[in-house]
Amino acid sequence: EVQLVESGGGLEQPGGSLRLSCTASGFTFSSYEMNWVRQAPGKGLEWVSYISTSGTTIFYADSVKGRFTVSRDNAKSSLYLQVNSLRAEDTAIYYCARGFPYDLYFDYWGQGTLVTVSS
Amino acid sequence: QSALTQPRSVSGSPGQSVTISCAGTSSDVGGYNYVSWYQQHPGRAPKVMIYDVTKRPSGVPDRFSGSKSGNTASLAISGLQADDEADYYCCSYAGTYWVFGGGTKLTVL
Repeated sequence: EVQLVESGGGLEQPGGSLRLSCTASGFTFSSYEMNWVRQAPGKGLEWVSYISTSGTTIFYADSVKGRFTVSRDNAKSSLYLQVNSLRAEDTAIYYCARGFPYDLYFDYWGQGTLVTVSS
Repeated sequence: QSALTQPRSVSGSPGQSVTISCAGTSSDVGGYNYVSWYQQHPGRAPKVMIYDVTKRPSGVPDRFSGSKSGNTASLAISGLQADDEADYYCCSYAGTYWVFGGGTKLTVL
């Protein structure tokens, strides 16, 4: 069974940093592209970042470019998102989502980890 | 990276059909056949219902169908059931990023 489990969220002050993690199981992690998608409380979904299977190709949403860094460790079946220079508008549930090969959609999602940015 | 445009809400009675539109541009919806639709119940993670504009993943009822004309995609749901009440989001690949719609709340009356 495919499972994605996020962790690392919490309460952080504006300007602070967090490292989010997503641990995968039930599939060959190194064969799948991965993404982060977030959802502010009561709001819609927003795609945040993409990373290719090898980690050599990375994309970011304009809203996080220069502040967030995505990475992966295929040996540990883990995906990461380093979030720096946090702003109030970064408050959201952060989901990791597996990319279905070639068809460019998100076929499995984790349950998310909540990041709250507040002083 | 502007969000796709969806109606905020739609509604229908059990057994009826509804359609949710998703308007984009030639840089996203109109430029690629990579539109997907996600269903999200309160407090739950999104679930893919349609991908590649018209395809259904295994396990999704054929009451759900997708289409596209120009820069606008649509999700049609026939034979509405109580469990269809949820938020629905369209999403399009746009070359170096993905963009979601603002979401549509479907109410089953």
